[in-house]
Amino acid sequence: NAGVTQTPKFRILKIGQSMTLQCAQDMNHNYMYWYRQDPGMGLKLIYYSVGAGITDKGEVPNGYNVSRSTTEDFPLRLELAAPSQTSVYFCASSFGFSARDGSTDTQYFGPGTRLTVL
Amino acid sequence: GQSLEQPSEVTAVEGAIVQINCTYQTSGFYGLSWYQQHDGGAPTFLSYNALDGLEETGRFSSFLSRSDSYGYLLLQELQMKDSASYFCAANSGGYQKVTFGTGTKLQVIP
Repeated sequence: NAGVTQTPKFRILKIGQSMTLQCAQDMNHNYMYWYRQDPGMGLKLIYYSVGAGITDKGEVPNGYNVSRSTTEDFPLRLELAAPSQTSVYFCASSFGFSARDGSTDTQYFGPGTRLTVL
Repeated sequence: GQSLEQPSEVTAVEGAIVQINCTYQTSGFYGLSWYQQHDGGAPTFLSYNALDGLEETGRFSSFLSRSDSYGYLLLQELQMKDSASYFCAANSGGYQKVTFGTGTKLQVIP
């Protein structure tokens, strides 16, 4: 299994440009997530999905859009890129919780996309 | 809102034991996870606590006290390769929602 894959690895955008960050997983996970990580900081949840056709906003959704047409893929769209969106973007997936009393839910992360907006 | 607090940096000697603390304020709390991230790499899962008490996985242990909204990660027999950032993350909400702390950068010195 490839796990979670992300493309591209690096990208430089000009202000106002748009792009799509690709994320795919081959573990048949229902849950998928997009995070951003600014230098020296923790991860902030942008959007998440609990299954194909279902998405919801996380902590910092402004300036981004997502779709989930298949279980495997969860692309993140940046419209009108701004310098504040310069960050490392991580996609992750998991099976999700099956019970509240002690079950684990490991998130598996992709290698990340390093995006710079100039 | 949700917030998790961790020390920003910790330095420890190779072979020693180090404890990284995490205090949290979340609604609908389910459990606390710990992740390791080396510079330039992706986070990798270390451990998870849904119930109070200690979970041991090799050299790493994690503890949770729900009544104190507190947890810690204990790393024993430190090795140079343990130099990394460590994040606690709270699972909460009706759906799968995870909030990460700001991370603790651990430096292991000879």
